[in-house]
Amino acid sequence: GNSVTQMEGPVTLSEEAFLTINCTYTATGYPSLFWYVQYPGEGLQLLLKATKADDKGSNKGFEATYRKETTSFHLEKGSVQVSDSAVYFCALSGRNGGSQGNLIFGKGTKLSVKP
Amino acid sequence: GAVVSQHPSWVICKSGTSVKIECRSLDFQATTMFWYRQFPKQSLMLMATSNEGSKATYEQGVEKDKFLINHASLTLSTLTVTSAHPEDSSFYICSASPPLLAGMNLRTDTQYFGPGTRLTVL
Repeated sequence: GNSVTQMEGPVTLSEEAFLTINCTYTATGYPSLFWYVQYPGEGLQLLLKATKADDKGSNKGFEATYRKETTSFHLEKGSVQVSDSAVYFCALSGRNGGSQGNLIFGKGTKLSVKP
Repeated sequence: GAVVSQHPSWVICKSGTSVKIECRSLDFQATTMFWYRQFPKQSLMLMATSNEGSKATYEQGVEKDKFLINHASLTLSTLTVTSAHPEDSSFYICSASPPLLAGMNLRTDTQYFGPGTRLTVL
């Protein structure tokens, strides 16, 4: 079945450092891929998404490219800020496809950015 | 934006009691809501899909008689953990999807998540 593997944290960076959080997936068909972020005390929020191969999702300086050949969707940001400290979840659309169906999540990666 | 709330945010109960968790979509109607469970340092695992006006669809391995789901209106779904035991202690998260024709400047291609409910069973 479909599954998501993302790098384990926690990840600790200094402000303005480059961020990469790796995410690989196993899926049949053509799922959509998502990155969700959970700030302390809040619910998960969609950060970005990509619906087909070679699509690049971007938001708030974060980017991720849907790589079908490597089954990856790595999250990157060129210069992190303290306010980016949160837990990041990679996810793909489940068997029903899209967000009207369920999502399959990675375990989450906690990012801490120090001033 | 779309807001999903959960109540309570945390609950502690004795073994054998039942606990009800509410999930509400505050500013949109949701024909479908999802219930997830998260153990420490683990992924969110889908428990069930809650459909307004019909029975919930449970994932394999989830006991439907233990985790009762009621989606009585377009803005409310409830999860009741019956006869709770310590192994039911977990973080329960709900999400909601607006209808495809929301027309409220919502992203209808995504799910909106509640903040979660921490359940501790003693």
